[in-house]
Amino acid sequence: ELKVEQNPLFLSMQEGKNYTIYCNYSTTSDRLYWYRQDPGKSLESLFVLLSNGAVKQEGRLMASLDTKARLSTLHITAAVHDLSATYFCAVNSGGGADGLTFGKGTHLIIQP
Amino acid sequence: DTAVSQTPKYLVTQMGNDKSIKCEQNLGHDTMYWYKQDSKKFLKIMFSYNNKELIINETVPNRFSPKSPDKAHLNLHINSLELGDSAVYFCASSPGLADYYEQYFGPGTRLTVT
Repeated sequence: ELKVEQNPLFLSMQEGKNYTIYCNYSTTSDRLYWYRQDPGKSLESLFVLLSNGAVKQEGRLMASLDTKARLSTLHITAAVHDLSATYFCAVNSGGGADGLTFGKGTHLIIQP
Repeated sequence: DTAVSQTPKYLVTQMGNDKSIKCEQNLGHDTMYWYKQDSKKFLKIMFSYNNKELIINETVPNRFSPKSPDKAHLNLHINSLELGDSAVYFCASSPGLADYYEQYFGPGTRLTVT
C-alpha cells in the first residue's frame, strides 16, 4: 500500500523566514503533485513534478522531486502572510485510474 | 466559467436519509473522481471513472453509488446516511487515465449528518 508522509504537519513561522516542507512516499513513482488548500476552500494545484530532478518555482515557492530518495520538498522563501494555508503533496503511482494518494497535509501559519 | 462544479455546496441531513451530490466538469476531460476529506483534512480517493465507466472503488461501503450519465457528469448517491459519512466530498477531473495528468478539483460539498 502506498504511503505518503509529510512533515511537519504543523508549522508556524514568521514573515521573512525560509522553511521547507518534506514529502516522503513509499513506492517508486515519478509523479508528484503539490496542492494548496485555504480554509473551507477547494484544492488549488501548485506544482506538477513529473521526473527525477524536476524543480519548479512560482513566486516564493519552489518544489523539487528526487525519485531515488522518494522525496519531494516544498521550499518557502521569505514567507509572507498570504502563504498561510494547508499544503498537500500527492503521489500518483498506479496510473491515473488509481487516483492520487495524499499526505496528511502541512498546516502553515505565517505570522507578521 | 467554473471548470469543475458541485451541487450542493452544503448538505445537512439526518441519519438514515438518502442524498445525492452532483458534479459537472466543462473541461472536456475523460476521467473523473470522487475524494472524501474527513474532519482531520485527510483526503482519500473513493471512485474513479473513465469515459463513464467505473475504474476503481476504494473499499467504499455499498451505500455509496456513483453514477456517470455522460463524461461531463459524475454524481454520488449515498443511501442510509451514517454519522461517519460527515465529511467534505470533492469531485475532480483529469484529461485521461495517464498518471502525468493534473487533476482539477471542484469546490467541495460539505455533508453533515445529524
